[in-house]
Amino acid sequence: QSVLTQPPSASGTPGQRVTISCSGSTSNIGNNYVYWYQQLPGTAPKLLIYTNNQRPSGVPDRFSGSKSGTSASLAISGLQSEDEADYYCATWDDSLNVYVFGTGTKVTVL
Amino acid sequence: QVQLQQSGPGLLKPSQTLSLTCAISGDSVSSNSAAWTWIRQSPSRGLEWLGRTYYRSKWYHDYAGSVKSRITINPDTSKNQFSLQLNSVTPEDTAVYYCTRTSFHRDFDYWGQGTLVTVSS
Repeated sequence: QSVLTQPPSASGTPGQRVTISCSGSTSNIGNNYVYWYQQLPGTAPKLLIYTNNQRPSGVPDRFSGSKSGTSASLAISGLQSEDEADYYCATWDDSLNVYVFGTGTKVTVL
Repeated sequence: QVQLQQSGPGLLKPSQTLSLTCAISGDSVSSNSAAWTWIRQSPSRGLEWLGRTYYRSKWYHDYAGSVKSRITINPDTSKNQFSLQLNSVTPEDTAVYYCTRTSFHRDFDYWGQGTLVTVSS
């Protein structure tokens, strides 16, 4: 169903750097901004990154986003236990005329 | 600080109409820089954008093709809220439904608490 592909899981020990990829196409990531959301268990998603690489107020600078061509990435440096959550990328799709979300990546802190 | 408070029933039978309301505080449904959006989440379909309403000198509505024939999103300026109606529901419409604000940057910066809607006979 999802047109944006993410790895189902990622993990690291406290303090490590974890990177999550998001792969799309020219009709979505290639031509539009990418956004990232964090979802803690039992809660609504929370905006983490907007317009490819900007952090809303209150989001730690451990989180960073980037985009290249039809792919995007979210990096978490200095991994902490409270970062254990599901992460989703999102963007607009010009062909489908809808916002599309990634398949989601579950981050586990070992 | 913007807050979105959802209300509506959580259990429906097949063929019934899903109706949810999202009350807005800290912003206006008639804002010229925001859009008011419904998104749902289920294990089988993941996060799915359903549609939005927004005001830019007049009211606009955009809907996802997957639900376009069954969905209506309406603003209520008198109560500063917006609603979702989804007709002829089936068990495939079982999901957690969220109302959100789409900001100037086109991200979903504020979310409601979510409503689990179960469709079962």
